[in-house]
Amino acid sequence: KAGVTQTPRYLIKTRGQQVTLSCSPISGHRSVSWYQQTPGQGLQFLFEYFSETQRNKGNFPGRFSGRQFSNSRSEMNVSTLELGDSALYLCASSQEGGNQETQYFGPGTRLLVL
Amino acid sequence: QQPVQSPQAVILREGEDAVINCSSSKALYSVHWYRQKHGEAPIFLMILLKGGEQKGHDKISASFNEKKQQSSLYLTASQLSYSGTYFCLAYSGAGSYQLTFGKGTKLSVIP
Repeated sequence: KAGVTQTPRYLIKTRGQQVTLSCSPISGHRSVSWYQQTPGQGLQFLFEYFSETQRNKGNFPGRFSGRQFSNSRSEMNVSTLELGDSALYLCASSQEGGNQETQYFGPGTRLLVL
Repeated sequence: QQPVQSPQAVILREGEDAVINCSSSKALYSVHWYRQKHGEAPIFLMILLKGGEQKGHDKISASFNEKKQQSSLYLTASQLSYSGTYFCLAYSGAGSYQLTFGKGTKLSVIP
């Protein structure tokens, strides 16, 4: 099976712009979670989608949003970008999600905000 | 609050053993362990569930002390390929759970 894929892999934006990141889960996986990784804060949970519904959400401002499509692919959007949004954004998929499932991570999208 | 991982960093020679700890101030439902190499995505190692169930690799062992809300990852007979940063991911509560990562333990295995 193909692994989790994320596009684009690298992105440079300026403050105030918005960005959309895409994640294609492993075939058959219905849960997609998004994480932000920075040197200062480490890995932080953004949100989890399952069957097109947001099932869980971390402690991030409303500028961060996501959605999931019927084929389980997911997108994450960040509006009004700030310098502090520069990070590696990882998505992970699992069959059913939740706290007992193995998650498989994609390679990430590295976002640089200037 | 983030779970606290210790040590923050450790250097081992091939063949040596190491223990990485992950402690939480919250009641945990499960603890997941991942390893991330520089520039790569985290990969799954283990899941430990409240009640004692474990899922993971045969060559890695771990424990979950529910009373202390602490999990420990045991790396025995380390190999060069074990190098990387190890993260614990703590799930507190069931249903609408919270999940938080530890800050990571950087493990370096040298010949």
